[in-house]
Amino acid sequence: EVQLVESGGGLVKPGGSLRLSCVASGFSFSTYSMNWFRRVPGKGLDWVSSITWSGDEVYYADSVKGRFTNFRNNAKNSLYLQMDSLRAEDTAVYYCARLLNGYHEYWGQGTLVTVSS
Amino acid sequence: EIVLTQSPGTLALSPGERVTLSCRASQSVISNYLAWYQQKPGQAPRLLIHGTSNRATGIPDRFSGSGSGTDFTLTISRLEPEDFAVYYCQQFGSGNSPRYSFGQGTKLEIK
Repeated sequence: EVQLVESGGGLVKPGGSLRLSCVASGFSFSTYSMNWFRRVPGKGLDWVSSITWSGDEVYYADSVKGRFTNFRNNAKNSLYLQMDSLRAEDTAVYYCARLLNGYHEYWGQGTLVTVSS
Repeated sequence: EIVLTQSPGTLALSPGERVTLSCRASQSVISNYLAWYQQKPGQAPRLLIHGTSNRATGIPDRFSGSGSGTDFTLTISRLEPEDFAVYYCQQFGSGNSPRYSFGQGTKLEIK
């Protein structure tokens, strides 16, 4: 069974940092590109970042570019999102998802990040 | 960047009814890269349809997708109680870097 389990969310002050983790199981993690998405409370879904299977290519939404770093450790079946210089508008539930042909069949359960003083 | 606009924003219907949700793109979308998701409170999005009209694994055949170019639809032929949720369309665009955009969602409520 494919599973994606996120962790690392929590309450952080503006300007602070958090690192989210996504641990994969039930499939060959090292052969799939992965994405991070977020859902702001009361709003829709937004793409945050993409990373290829090897980690050689990483892409970011303009809203997080320069502040977030997406990376992976295929030996540990793990994906990470390092979030620095956090802002109130980064408050959201963050999801990792497995990419295939432009769509996402498997998602984690999400982890809540709250940026507030 | 392609903007997806879903309509209506909210819809109140009864179980057993048929519903068609709309997703309109600001530019032409590659049909292979148009997907629909269902999301319930506190849950992750669930893939329903990919490639405009292909049902994901385990999705009942009351869900169907169609469309091309800039206009896409998701139809639920007969609403079941578990279908009341928020529905999102999503497209993928490449170019200099990948871009994934979602519509703002359509909320199906029980009348």
